Amino acid sequence: AQSVTQLDSHVSVSEGTPVLLRCNYSSSYSPSLFWYVQHPNKGLQLLLKYTSAATLVKGINGFEAEFKKSETSFHLTKPSAHMSDAAEYFCVVRTDGYSTLTFGKGTMLLVSP
Amino acid sequence: DSGVTQTPKHLITATGQRVTLRCSPRSGDLSVYWYQQSLDQGLQFLIQYYNGEERAKGNILERFSAQQFPDLHSELNLSSLELGDSALYFCASSELAGGLRNTQYFGPGTRLTVL
Repeated sequence: AQSVTQLDSHVSVSEGTPVLLRCNYSSSYSPSLFWYVQHPNKGLQLLLKYTSAATLVKGINGFEAEFKKSETSFHLTKPSAHMSDAAEYFCVVRTDGYSTLTFGKGTMLLVSP
Repeated sequence: DSGVTQTPKHLITATGQRVTLRCSPRSGDLSVYWYQQSLDQGLQFLIQYYNGEERAKGNILERFSAQQFPDLHSELNLSSLELGDSALYFCASSELAGGLRNTQYFGPGTRLTVL
């Protein structure tokens, strides 16, 4: 079985300050992990993915995430928030050998000027 | 733009009715996935097709069915609609059936409102 816990339902930051969105996962086998972003009234866009290569993964728009097996975490970070980063972010796990994705409940990122 | 297209964008219907949602995958992708996003359940996987065959099944109700056609487009049929079926329905596609390299790309979704 696999599951994902996004530790914060909402995160508020000021423009120009760092972003940290927290994610813990549970998986019986080696997981693949993803972060997707959903802007208002838009579809889901892939930000980055981890598939057992380098543990620090760089994605689009300056985001990165680090896979920490000992902590079963895959937190998403960005050094400096931009107004356009305001959106809902989903942490997703997939157990290798399977195709189905399990989504976290999402974290809404609010960016104030 | 992911390359996955979904029609219609919005759908408003009444309880008890039946609707069909359509998805065209990215060029070259053989797998199609359907997801439901609702306020109370979040994003849930419904079903996957790979090259015309059902590959994996998630939390899909018996009132719902899907198929993938020879040209690889897919349709999700929802029948005997209830108020609780109101949700955003996403289609995703990927090149492979599964595996490390497999990445799902999502369409813009169809918003279904059942009145």
